[in-house]
Amino acid sequence: QLQLQESGPGLVKPSETLSLTCTVSGGSISSSSYYWGWIRQPPGKGLEWIGSIYYSGSTYYNPSLKSRVTISVDTSKNQFSLKLSSVTAADTAVYYCARLMVDDWNQQTYYYGMDVWGQGTTVTVSS
Amino acid sequence: DIQMTQSPSSVSASVGDRVTITCRASQGISSWLAWYQQKPGKAPKLLIYAASSLQSGVPSRFSGSGSGTDFTLTISSLQPEDFATYYCQQANSPIFTFGPGTKVDIK
Repeated sequence: QLQLQESGPGLVKPSETLSLTCTVSGGSISSSSYYWGWIRQPPGKGLEWIGSIYYSGSTYYNPSLKSRVTISVDTSKNQFSLKLSSVTAADTAVYYCARLMVDDWNQQTYYYGMDVWGQGTTVTVSS
Repeated sequence: DIQMTQSPSSVSASVGDRVTITCRASQGISSWLAWYQQKPGKAPKLLIYAASSLQSGVPSRFSGSGSGTDFTLTISSLQPEDFATYYCQQANSPIFTFGPGTKVDIK
């Protein structure tokens, strides 16, 4: 059974870089059927998609965060990572990693939903 | 960017009730819409993808419909474990957006 586990510091200082890693177990991150993504949820608020990555390294980012976000993949470790720079209190949230189901046909990629999620990790931005 | 709205923002219902939640996209997204259920302190759970396909293991009382800009999630007979917040998410392009959520609570 595929499992995802987020890890990283729970407290980050303002203006610094938030770094999280998602470890995939029970399956390969190099599957052609999936992208891998990061989603966050500020306290008491809704879900915000941050970005997604394919095992090849192809990435897509939320335009509102694009200038500060980098998502990378390490297939040898079956992990993918998130870096968010210049954080402020507004970046305080529960951060989730998730698997995104995709399908390629007729020379186009189709995106379904995020079917496996990590448990989430709380990151607080504070001095 | 494609914006998503949901209505209502909250609904109070009783066990056994039929509950319908609406999601609207700011532009046409064909059938590329997913629905999630989230309970407090837990990660979201995928219920429906491609507007009407039931994710494996999800009870058949959940159903989705719609295409273009207007979509619906229906719970045919609300069960105690269904009290939660529900989110729609457009997947028309690799730039995803979620709706603001609909909270279903006990009347």
